[in-house]
Amino acid sequence: SQELEQSPQSLIVQEGKNLTINCTSSKTLYGLYWYKQKYGEGLIFLMMLQKGGEEKSHEKITAKLDEKKQQSSLHITASQPSHAGIYLCGPSGAGSYQLTFGKGTKLSVIP
Amino acid sequence: DAGVIQSPRHEVTEMGQEVTLRCKPISGHNSLFWYRQTMMRGLELLIYFNNNVPIDDSGMPEDRFSAKMPNASFSTLKIQPSEPRDSAVYFCASSLVGQTNYGYTFGSGTRLTVV
Repeated sequence: SQELEQSPQSLIVQEGKNLTINCTSSKTLYGLYWYKQKYGEGLIFLMMLQKGGEEKSHEKITAKLDEKKQQSSLHITASQPSHAGIYLCGPSGAGSYQLTFGKGTKLSVIP
Repeated sequence: DAGVIQSPRHEVTEMGQEVTLRCKPISGHNSLFWYRQTMMRGLELLIYFNNNVPIDDSGMPEDRFSAKMPNASFSTLKIQPSEPRDSAVYFCASSLVGQTNYGYTFGSGTRLTVV
């Protein structure tokens, strides 16, 4: 089965600072999802990456999938308290279903 | 659309009791997933359905767990008998196969506590 490892497990940053979260797969990814979860709530879809080298941005969040499609990074620029939460990555299969998630990275943003 | 609706939001029950969790997927979605989230194990897929048919239930912990999807707009996850180690947040998610570029839509979850 495919395993996803996220780093760091938790992160505390001051408001306004930039940060990066990584997601590494044990196997080549067909594609990758990034989700965000706030405490006590469900997961919210952020973006999906499918092509090696692909980069997508949504507001101040940018995610990239490396050329070998085994690692993805999620970068937040000028973090805000609204960015706080748990960020999870999950693989997208070719015509299949999303079966596994990383354990998540807990982000806290201090005002 | 109101999104994926789960009920109840919170459930506290005594060990040995039967627990039923409910999910209403987004109208038009043809895939439904049940996940369990704990601090130790993270988010785990329990079972998923496609067009109301269970496709893979290999993630179901044991025979005490069962899931049904009698129609396209309703699914249940039942635990009988419940045990303290079943305490977790259970999520339901739905999607439309062929449009996975948009990810899966998750419900707000049911927080289950078994005492």
